[in-house]
Amino acid sequence: KQEVTQIPAALSVPEGENLVLNCSFTDSAIYNLQWFRQDPGKGLTSLLLIQSSQREQTSGRLNASLDKSSGRSTLYIAASQPGDSATYLCAVPTSGTYKYIFGTGTRLKVLA
Amino acid sequence: EAGVAQSPRYKIIEKRQSVAFWCNPISGHATLYWYQQILGQGPKLLIQFQNNGVVDDSQLPKDRFSAERLKGVDSTLKIQPAKLEDSAVYLCASSLPGMSSPLHFGNGTRLTVT
Repeated sequence: KQEVTQIPAALSVPEGENLVLNCSFTDSAIYNLQWFRQDPGKGLTSLLLIQSSQREQTSGRLNASLDKSSGRSTLYIAASQPGDSATYLCAVPTSGTYKYIFGTGTRLKVLA
Repeated sequence: EAGVAQSPRYKIIEKRQSVAFWCNPISGHATLYWYQQILGQGPKLLIQFQNNGVVDDSQLPKDRFSAERLKGVDSTLKIQPAKLEDSAVYLCASSLPGMSSPLHFGNGTRLTVT
C-alpha cells in the first residue's frame, strides 16, 4: 500500500531564502510524481510533474527532483517570495494504477 | 483555457439531509476525479471516471455516496444521508488520459454538516 509522507509539516522562512520541501513514498513502482500548490480556500494547482524516467523538472524558480530507488522527491524553491506562501503537496499513483495518493502537505510561510 | 468549474462553493446542511455537488471538467479531458479533503489532510480519491465509465470507486462509501458522469462530460456527486464526518472540501479534478498529464483541480465545495 502506497504511503506518502511530507516533511516538514510547516515551515516559516524570511524572504529571499532558498528552501527545500521533502516528499517520501513507500512503493517505488510509480508512473510519475506531481507537486501541487494549494492556497487557502482554493483547489490545487499543478506545479511540476516528473515522469518515472526523469530525474528532475524545472519551472521558473521551482525545481523538483525524483529518486525512485530511495522513494524520495524534493521541491526546491529559489529566492522565496511572500507570494510563495501556501501549502505544497506531492502525489504519487498507487503501483499499477492511476490512483493518486497525496501527502498531507507542507505549509509554507515566507515572511517579508 | 477555462478551468474546472464546481458548484456550489459552500453548503451547510443538517445531518441526515442530502446534498449534491456539480463539476464541469476542462473541455476534452476524458478523466474526471472526485476527491474528499478533510481539514489538515491531503485529498483522498473517492471516484475516478474515464469518459462515463468508473475506473476506481474503491474508497467511495457506497451506502451513502453516489456519483455519475453522463455523456462523459459533467459529473455530480451526491451524499444521502449526510453524516457529521462528511464535513470536508469536495474537489473535482480532470486530466487528459494517460500518466503524462497533470491533474487540474476546481476550487472545491466546502461542505459543513451540523
